[in-house]
Amino acid sequence: GNSVTQMEGPVTLSEEAFLTINCTYTATGYPSLFWYVQYPGEGLQLLLKATKADDKGSNKGFEATYRKETTSFHLEKGSVQVSDSAVYFCALRGDSNYQLIWGAGTKLIIKP
Amino acid sequence: NAGVTQTPKFRVLKTGQSMTLLCAQDMNHEYMYWYRQDPGMGLRLIHYSVGEGTTAKGEVPDGYNVSRLKKQNFLLGLESAAPSQTSVYFCASRKTGTGTGELFFGEGSRLTVL
Repeated sequence: GNSVTQMEGPVTLSEEAFLTINCTYTATGYPSLFWYVQYPGEGLQLLLKATKADDKGSNKGFEATYRKETTSFHLEKGSVQVSDSAVYFCALRGDSNYQLIWGAGTKLIIKP
Repeated sequence: NAGVTQTPKFRVLKTGQSMTLLCAQDMNHEYMYWYRQDPGMGLRLIHYSVGEGTTAKGEVPDGYNVSRLKKQNFLLGLESAAPSQTSVYFCASRKTGTGTGELFFGEGSRLTVL
């Protein structure tokens, strides 16, 4: 079945460091891929998405490219800020239009 | 700007007690979901609904019941609470179609079962 694997956290970085959070997936067909972010005490919100191979999603300085050959959708940001501290979830929507398959989440801690 | 609203936000129960979590959305979305979030386990789908009057089981439905009598509301019930149901519960909704598939989440309901 479909699955999503994320790198384990927490990931701790200093402000202005480069960020990569790895996400790989297993799916049949052509899934859509998502990154959601959960700030402390809040619900999740969509950060970015990609719906087909080689698409690049981007938002708030974050980027992720849909790589079908490596079944990956890694999240990157060139210079992180303290305000980026949150939990990041990778997810996919496969053949079922109803459900998303979620990764376990990666906690990101940015120190000033 | 309400979006998805969950009530209550916090609740403490004793083992065996019952309760209902209410989710309300004002975006006219067809699909609604109940998830639970536990440390290190991400989000797990409990039940979902694809429209008024319909419900379906998700990944971890045991011990929970749901109802969708009105399109804007999705209720999650615990008939006899157990400590294993201590968790943070999130409701989400989205519109139909093959668009972005973006889910809109409530702020969560933290439930503790003693």
